[in-house]
Formats: sequence, C-alpha cells, structure tokens
Amino acid sequence: GAVVSQHPSWVICKSGTSVKIECRSLDFQATTMFWYRQFPKQSLMLMATSNEGSKATYEQGVEKDKFLINHASLTLSTLTVTSAHPEDSSFYICSARVGRGLNEQFFGPGTRLTVL
Amino acid sequence: QKEVEQDPGPLSVPEGAIVSLNCTYSNSAFQYFMWYRQYSRKGPELLMYTYSSGNKEDGRFTAQVDKSSKYISLFIRDSQPSDSATYLCAMGGDKIIFGKGTRLHILP
Repeated sequence: GAVVSQHPSWVICKSGTSVKIECRSLDFQATTMFWYRQFPKQSLMLMATSNEGSKATYEQGVEKDKFLINHASLTLSTLTVTSAHPEDSSFYICSARVGRGLNEQFFGPGTRLTVL
Repeated sequence: QKEVEQDPGPLSVPEGAIVSLNCTYSNSAFQYFMWYRQYSRKGPELLMYTYSSGNKEDGRFTAQVDKSSKYISLFIRDSQPSDSATYLCAMGGDKIIFGKGTRLHILP
C-alpha cells in the first residue's frame, strides 16, 4: 500500500515550452501533497505544499507563476513548469501524506526534466 | 548555518562492516527525525522514524537521536552491497527538511 506514482518518469523539452508532471496516490487519499526539486548531489528542496481544492503554498524563492500547481482531487496533483529554461532541468519529486504524521508521507519515483 | 548538515561522502566500506552515518541540525524545534534511502534516479524511501532521544532498532538498522547535542545517527550492521545508495537524514515538525544525503558504497 501507500504507493505514489509520477508521470512521466522523464521528459526532454525545448526551452520556452511548458511541461506538466502528474502525481497520483494510487491506493490512498492524500490530505496534502508536496512538490520537491533535487539537483544532482543535492538535497530535496521543498517547492510547494498543496491541499485539494485550495491554492498551493509556495516556499520562499519559488516562483508561483512559473511552477503552477493544481490539486484537482485527493489523489491527483499536477506541476506545470511554464516557459521552461535549461536552469529548470532537475529531478522533480512529489510526495503525498495520508495522515498528519511525517512518517505518513510517501514519495513518488521522481521525474527527470531536461530542458534543451 | 544550514538547518541540517550531512557529509555527502562518498563513503566506501567493505561488505559486512558496520556503517555509521550522521547529521547535525540547528533547529531545536524539530520534533521528528527520519532516515531515508534513495537509489539513483528514484524517490526516497523511509527507513527509520523516531521522535525521541535514544535508540530505535529495526533489523540491521539502528537510529540514534541526541536532542541535547542536536545530532542523529544511523548505523547499519552487516552491510550488504544492496545497501549501496544515498542515505538522507530528515527532520521536521509540520514539514520535512532534508540533509544533502551521504552516498554509500558497500564493496563486495
């Protein structure tokens, strides 16, 4: 149980295009979903937190107009990277929390974004 | 000072050895302490979770928390090549703050 999936697992796009990444909790309903970004040999950095039906809360320094988050249901959240540039190339990982505890937060397999 | 400090390694040890991984932190408000394992190009997987000072054991893994020193450790006994991965310490209250991760190589 407690499986989180992401699609696609990798994507290559041209500079200036937009890319959408989906995150689904497959066997549970998530109270909250999170989006992280991880650069090579770096830590996971929280980008934003979202609850179903409400606007996402972005961490300091994360552009909300560039990284659009839609939390359409208790099992689906999407991250859209708008007008992507090479510096947006990174590993994007979503996470879904089923309860209130940090140990009830499960991570997806990640999406590798490469912007040419 | 960063909230969570973790030596990125890499750390190479022979199979069967005891591995010791450590993190320090600065925020005394952190209540929960975790260790995650992350294989290359995969999401992190929770290994250990604790919320109090002391030791917690699960199979070959032991997590140790010293809140007075703001220091946490993960010990892996009888290390196996399959333990080769990046180990991330993490902690928090309402959200998780991660260390950079330590790359561990177990040499057969």
